[in-house]
Amino acid sequence: GAGVSQSPSNKVTEKGKDVELRCDPISGHTALYWYRQRLGQGLEFLIYFQGNSAPDKSGLPSDRFSAERTGESVSTLTIQRTQQEDSAVYLCASSPRLDSTQETQYFGPGTRLLVL
Amino acid sequence: AQTVTQSQPEMSVQEAETVTLSCTYDTSESDYYLFWYKQPPSRQMILVIRQEAYKQQNATENRFSVNFQKAAKSFSLKISDSQLGDAAMYFCAYRRSGAGSYQLTFGKGTKLSVIP
Repeated sequence: GAGVSQSPSNKVTEKGKDVELRCDPISGHTALYWYRQRLGQGLEFLIYFQGNSAPDKSGLPSDRFSAERTGESVSTLTIQRTQQEDSAVYLCASSPRLDSTQETQYFGPGTRLLVL
Repeated sequence: AQTVTQSQPEMSVQEAETVTLSCTYDTSESDYYLFWYKQPPSRQMILVIRQEAYKQQNATENRFSVNFQKAAKSFSLKISDSQLGDAAMYFCAYRRSGAGSYQLTFGKGTKLSVIP
């Protein structure tokens, strides 16, 4: 694929349910980021993966949020026991490699999550 | 912690005219990167332009240019010859340099409307 893809595009769930969001980065990109964008706001960093290194989880808002990534491939962001405040667009980005002055993050189209 | 401020929630410009979007940031770092991203209604974040803090020369990409004032911590975006396709949300973003996580810190965005 040419770019970062995310699925589903939209997700409606009931409060208290668990959801899984998926991100397929650009092939060969070693770094992967998850961001959250609340309505009318900028993006907030959630978590960062770089190759096989330990992920940077410093942006996760609570222990209900977790993410996994296998090697340099697909990542899933899981939100357990969803709350209405979790409603947002979740964006994934990937970049070719670390320590590069040309490093640019390429974003997917996001998953719009609505918690009723 | 780094912060990015975009003081103009909304701007409008006549087609073919020039508009400037403002951005200020706060950091104690001396080396970093600054970006402008465009987000159309499709939600896809698109990189417009980037600036390395160690470069004094302002970055330019076709109709887009920046005015980078490092001492003032200001990073404005100028769009010349505005086109209807330029209508979107524009986000200013900061990324630190050096080892470690490379997450972007975003401002809250400026909604740009282009009037035909």
